Amino acid sequence: DTEVTQTPKHLVMGMTNKKSLKCEQHMGHRAMYWYKQKAKKPPELMFVYSYEKLSINESVPSRFSPECPNSSLLNLHLHALQPEDSALYLCASSRGVGNEQFFGPGTRLTVL
Amino acid sequence: SQQGEEDPQALSIQEGENATMNCSYKTSINNLQWYRQNSGRGLVHLILIRSNEREKHSGRLRVTLDTSKKSSSLLITASRAADTASYFCATRREYGNKLVFGAGTILRVKS
Repeated sequence: DTEVTQTPKHLVMGMTNKKSLKCEQHMGHRAMYWYKQKAKKPPELMFVYSYEKLSINESVPSRFSPECPNSSLLNLHLHALQPEDSALYLCASSRGVGNEQFFGPGTRLTVL
Repeated sequence: SQQGEEDPQALSIQEGENATMNCSYKTSINNLQWYRQNSGRGLVHLILIRSNEREKHSGRLRVTLDTSKKSSSLLITASRAADTASYFCATRREYGNKLVFGAGTILRVKS
């Protein structure tokens, strides 16, 4: 299985809502990533997990909270988001940090 | 922070023609990778070239790396309409553990 899956595909939420994005891979990869991508821009790194431990946090606001329950799963918990947080959220995994990354299809998030 | 700059920003060619995209970066790197993204979807890894390599091929793709000029190019030969996508270079810094993506080139192949 060489696929990274993400759920949901689309999410619309209000600024007071709490929601979670989920990402799963079964390639035995030990590094997993969250990226944020605005329209017509490159992906921007948010978080890196290596061996289930948070290794990089790119100064992301605390309203985004990542979680890695096990080596196959990565969550991104969302709370009190702002409209400017609307974007495509991409999850990726790799054998190790710095190797080629496999991306999921993304979650299109709209914050009203 | 954005490490790579790509040019052109957009490229429109006829099917069958070759497409060349360039990427420049600022710091010493461990490797440079190219990715493709179809409209609004996830990225697909195309090719990885290490800092001690100068050229790599994969099917219709040819990547070159010039570390003295801190630049790379991606050549797609005999382009097809299905090659229409955004193409990003991404660099892993010499002592870093993350990829930093360039601004990307939007390629349109007309049939």
